[in-house]
Amino acid sequence: DAGVTQSPTHLIKTRGQHVTLRCSPISGHKSVSWYQQVLGQGPQFIFQYYEKEERGRGNFPDRFSARQFPNYSSELNVNALLLGDSALYLCASSARQGKGYGYTFGSGTRLTVV
Amino acid sequence: QQQVKQSPQSLIVQKGGISIINCAYENTAFDYFPWYQQFPGKGPALLIAIRPDVSEKKEGRFTISFNKSAKQFSLHIMDSQPGDSATYFCAASMGHSGSRLTFGEGTQLTVNP
Repeated sequence: DAGVTQSPTHLIKTRGQHVTLRCSPISGHKSVSWYQQVLGQGPQFIFQYYEKEERGRGNFPDRFSARQFPNYSSELNVNALLLGDSALYLCASSARQGKGYGYTFGSGTRLTVV
Repeated sequence: QQQVKQSPQSLIVQKGGISIINCAYENTAFDYFPWYQQFPGKGPALLIAIRPDVSEKKEGRFTISFNKSAKQFSLHIMDSQPGDSATYFCAASMGHSGSRLTFGEGTQLTVNP
């Protein structure tokens, strides 16, 4: 069985541009969460979606948005990129919404903003 | 606001030794405490987790010790192996916040052969 799939694996963007990151959860998983991991730090929660509805949002500016599709895949969008947005963006999926257990992370998308 | 503090930042042990990583949390509403292992170029992978109603949980060479009154928990890796060399993160979540995980800063473990 495929795990959590994220695309692209690496991405280089220029300040001010827009980026879309994609995530396909494990088959049967209805919950998708996004995390930002800056080099040398722990992941920081950005969003959680369950059954296509936003169920949680971390302390990130409105430049960050996401959505979940009927097939439970998800997109993370970041507008007006800043140098500080350079990070590994992780997607995690779970069969259920609550309590953080049962989460499987993808290998992430490495975003570099220049 | 850092709600989960992890130490040490880096750790070097010899093969066969015991690796100990510590975490402290502030929010008493946390009710789930997982540890994740992350290799370079990979996402974090769940290693072991504990709930505050038990003081210790063991799975193979990995043990979590939990001290609710001190708001601290630790990961012990027995008989450490070079293949255990990775970055370890503690984390915490609370039921009413859904699945939001609050991670520590990470510990880079190196096990020398």
